[in-house]
Amino acid sequence: DTEVTQTPKHLVMGMTNKKSLKCEQHMGHRAMYWYKQKAKKPPELMFVYSYEKLSINESVPSRFSPECPNSSLLNLHLHALQPEDSALYLCASSQAYNTSFTDTQYFGPGTRLTVL
Amino acid sequence: AQSVTQLDSHVSVSEGTPVLLRCNYSSSYSPSLFWYVQHPNKGLQLLLKYTSAATLVKGINGFEAEFKKSETSFHLTKPSAHMSDAAEYFCVVRVYNNNDMRFGAGTRLTVKP
Repeated sequence: DTEVTQTPKHLVMGMTNKKSLKCEQHMGHRAMYWYKQKAKKPPELMFVYSYEKLSINESVPSRFSPECPNSSLLNLHLHALQPEDSALYLCASSQAYNTSFTDTQYFGPGTRLTVL
Repeated sequence: AQSVTQLDSHVSVSEGTPVLLRCNYSSSYSPSLFWYVQHPNKGLQLLLKYTSAATLVKGINGFEAEFKKSETSFHLTKPSAHMSDAAEYFCVVRVYNNNDMRFGAGTRLTVKP
């Protein structure tokens, strides 16, 4: 099973709201990723967690706050977002980070976020 | 530095005809290459990957890709297009020694009845 699940599928929030995106995998993967994808563009890496520790933060604004409570779960907490943050947010996982060259990232279906 | 270039932003074919989506890569090392497909409002699904084993890689849904080092290419092909193949396709190279992925700009495939 190579399934990564994400909830919710859609989220509409105001600029003053606080919300969270959730990602889950049960493949025993120890690396998890958040990507942001704008319309008609490729995904852009935001964060990488390796063994529940933040390994990469691609200069993402602090209004996005990632959290990895355990090896299966990855959250993205959102606060005071801007309309330009509206996008598809994708979660991915892989066996590990910075190791095997044959490792593959598996993506979830994404959360479509709209900021009003 | 590793990168990929998808040579066509949009490809249109008729149902039942062959599909060719072109991808060139740049890499100082032997690359790890992937093709992902994204249907409208969906996540990315892995089609196939090349990791220095066989140069002809077979993937899901009848797709295959051939790694050609001399041409630095990894083109995606399918003998006969189906309406359900209409989607966005991304060629991806994995950066040597870590899991950072460099995505191409994407190719939108349209399949006409």
